[in-house]
Amino acid sequence: QVHLVESGGGVVQPGRSLRLSCAASGFTFSTYTMHWVRQAPGKRLEWVAILSYDGSNKNYADSVKGRFTISRDNSKNTLYLQMNSLRSEDTAVYYCARGGFGDSMYPGGYWGQGTLVTVSS
Amino acid sequence: EIVLTQSPGTLSLSPGERATLSCRASQSVNSTYLAWYQQKPGQAPRLLIYGASSRATAIPDRFSGRGSGTDFTLTISRLEPEDFAVYYCQQYGSSLWTFGQGTKVEIK
Repeated sequence: QVHLVESGGGVVQPGRSLRLSCAASGFTFSTYTMHWVRQAPGKRLEWVAILSYDGSNKNYADSVKGRFTISRDNSKNTLYLQMNSLRSEDTAVYYCARGGFGDSMYPGGYWGQGTLVTVSS
Repeated sequence: EIVLTQSPGTLSLSPGERATLSCRASQSVNSTYLAWYQQKPGQAPRLLIYGASSRATAIPDRFSGRGSGTDFTLTISRLEPEDFAVYYCQQYGSSLWTFGQGTKVEIK
């Protein structure tokens, strides 16, 4: 069955960097759009970034644009989120989620368990 | 960017009662691209409804969605103990997702 496992979270100082990974299994990873979504403690879900199945198209929330980079390695069935210039407001649980097949639009039918990122001095 | 506003913020009900949750969009949403999720503490969101009214895999038929344009509704016909959670609406019809702020359904 579909399985998404995030890793790479932890405590980091403001201004530093962190890279999250999302290992996918149970489906043909290279044919699906993937997303990162985050949730600050006690807050709503906030979409972060999208990457098309072949890596050709990506988009970011305004709150992370210019600081975060989404990428994927289809040979390793892994999605990444490189987070630079981290701020305290980036503190959240980060989820990867599977989107649509190919270019189709579909909501998050499958999510990982999340990885906690805490930005604090 | 489409803003989704959910109401009420909290719904206090008893098991067996009917729950009606509202999601209003700042501009018209193609109903094909409106979804609802359930989230319990410490867990990832779980997709309930997509395309405004289609139930996701293995979702009980006590969950139903309807709506079009700017007004959408999620109804839980008879609340079971496991249904007390936070519910989010989402639009996914562009190269970004947006979520409502959530409605908490709590035990009265």
